[in-house]
Amino acid sequence: DAKTTQPPSMDCAEGRAANLPCNHSTISGNEYVYWYRQIHSQGPQYIIHGLKNNETNEMASLIITEDRKSSTLILPHATLRDTAVYYCIARSGGYQKVTFGIGTKLQVIP
Amino acid sequence: EPEVTQTPSHQVTQMGQEVILRCVPISNHLYFYWYRQILGQKVEFLVSFYNNEISEKSEIFDDQFSVERPDGSNFTLKIRSTKLEDSAMYFCASSGTGLAGGNPYEQYFGPGTRLTVT
Repeated sequence: DAKTTQPPSMDCAEGRAANLPCNHSTISGNEYVYWYRQIHSQGPQYIIHGLKNNETNEMASLIITEDRKSSTLILPHATLRDTAVYYCIARSGGYQKVTFGIGTKLQVIP
Repeated sequence: EPEVTQTPSHQVTQMGQEVILRCVPISNHLYFYWYRQILGQKVEFLVSFYNNEISEKSEIFDDQFSVERPDGSNFTLKIRSTKLEDSAMYFCASSGTGLAGGNPYEQYFGPGTRLTVT
């Protein structure tokens, strides 16, 4: 899996959009960008994934740059329940293990 | 929404004892995984399991560990002789096959079993 780089922590005001960046400059053509999150002591939770097109689901939007070297996860209206560690992961298939890094600790502030 | 369940939520055991952690994956999933997270550290992959055999394992998954799918619904992780350093949260996960068997792109994680070895 390609290495990903994320800021260790970020704050976001409640109700505002949270934009979480991720660099994956060595991502290969068959690797998807996945985002998971882990709310304190709970099991990781899948958020979204994409290959090269931007993706949106009920939880978030994923914006991938044209060269695929970086991406941004957008939580459009952050709530206190979105406070969690967010992991950006490059992996080539759904069946493969997920290799978690340190992630970005997002604190949503009232 | 279907979910992965794990029992017990907390297990306390003495060093050297055997423990079995249990998981019920999502019913139509065929890929199963165990991960662990030592307090304050990253989530680490232990093992993946498909078609009744291990498909991949990490260096952590040594001879003290074993996995089994004893029936059509449970997936277990056994630690034969626990050590203090086995204290961690253990997460089970499952994923589908994309045919009739659920989204192949997502791994669904359970809530975890906290193992404390004293």
